[in-house]
Amino acid sequence: QQQVKQSPQSLIVQKGGISIINCAYENTAFDYFPWYQQFPGKGPALLIAIRPDVSEKKEGRFTISFNKSAKQFSLHIMDSQPGDSATYFCAASMNQAGTALIFGKGTTLSVSS
Amino acid sequence: ETGVTQSPTHLIKTRGQQVTLRCSSQSGHNTVSWYQQALGQGPQFIFQYYREEENGRGNFPPRFSGLQFPNYSSELNVNALELDDSALYLCASSPLGVRYGYTFGSGTRLTVV
Repeated sequence: QQQVKQSPQSLIVQKGGISIINCAYENTAFDYFPWYQQFPGKGPALLIAIRPDVSEKKEGRFTISFNKSAKQFSLHIMDSQPGDSATYFCAASMNQAGTALIFGKGTTLSVSS
Repeated sequence: ETGVTQSPTHLIKTRGQQVTLRCSSQSGHNTVSWYQQALGQGPQFIFQYYREEENGRGNFPPRFSGLQFPNYSSELNVNALELDDSALYLCASSPLGVRYGYTFGSGTRLTVV
């Protein structure tokens, strides 16, 4: 059972455009939602994270939008650059000891120049 | 900060053999987790150690085992290797747990033939 569903699987965006990646979850016990960025040959790196008490969080060109009632959250990359080309993973976790991150399957983003 | 280092970077083993993967946590991080990432998939949680005790485990069989040492370095052991164990194995450390942000290593690419 996949607890975090991510879409699209791949995305091609023109330089300067907006990249949007969506995730949906079922478990209402999740209360921490990070996004990770992974380049080939590297481990995932934390990009930005949100907790469900806010509906939006912005850090530079990256914004998370969170809809608690719909159990959905999304990553927006503004002014996308070729250096943003990577695989992006959404994830979720619960507030309990020993809890893990449940990852989506990932979105491969290609930003064309 | 030295980050999370994993060794070896690549490994080829034969089905039925045993393997040990190693991880050196980031300085000051007392929590370490291991994830398996199959090609084209998101990382899947294997287990987590906090102060040398396993305090969380994913849906992996007992032939996947681990250790955390007093200096917070860690090992992942896999016995009776199967072809499906071929994957990237990621170690992640955190100061207090996943909700405080993981730092992932670059992983060990294990190929079972």
